Amino acid sequence: DSGVTQTPKHLITATGQRVTLRCSPRSGDLSVYWYQQSLDQGLQFLIQYYNGEERAKGNILERFSAQQFPDLHSELNLSSLELGDSALYFCASSVGGGGRGSYNEQFFGPGTRLTVL
Amino acid sequence: DAKTTQPTSMDCAEGRAANLPCNHSTISGNEYVYWYRQIHSQGPQYIIHGLKNNETNEMASLIITEDRKSSTLILPHATLRDTAVYYCIVLTSGNTPLVFGKGTRLSVIA
Repeated sequence: DSGVTQTPKHLITATGQRVTLRCSPRSGDLSVYWYQQSLDQGLQFLIQYYNGEERAKGNILERFSAQQFPDLHSELNLSSLELGDSALYFCASSVGGGGRGSYNEQFFGPGTRLTVL
Repeated sequence: DAKTTQPTSMDCAEGRAANLPCNHSTISGNEYVYWYRQIHSQGPQYIIHGLKNNETNEMASLIITEDRKSSTLILPHATLRDTAVYYCIVLTSGNTPLVFGKGTRLSVIA
């Protein structure tokens, strides 16, 4: 158990719908990362938040958005869903925010499996 | 971040050492070598990281060549539970987004 929790575990929805994935980081971790894993694209970084602020952005579609709340939990919102959005979505957390020389590892949650029909 | 090259797959007999190579010939002086693994559809798991010295922890050992252009992750006594995809990643900091390649699929065989 990494200490990172994600809900829900599974989500089945239809094209065009909107869903929200939730992540609670490990106690004391200030950074939250979202990753997407699909069969054809592998594991891809989407977005990082550090202490409530967006820190880095990856291959995140405009239909997707995220935020980190004052209690440090994070939500990933996916809208206008397409079949290709079906994937495993992982949240990870780490202590720091990316400064040079900070080499804390990232702890990953169990993921949310999204199926778009 | 520098790119890494890993073999697509490897087999290892249970109880033997698993040696997973990684090439990172364009690594910069301030970049670390990190290893993560992913056991079937679970969240990736951190294993070990190093800069230029060899490192060992309870899970594995990391051997980095003197020129830092390649490294080897060693699982000293592989078990069936070590069957996973292993990712070698080069980073300036552990708190930056991870860039995953295709990794090496290690199969530990009884």
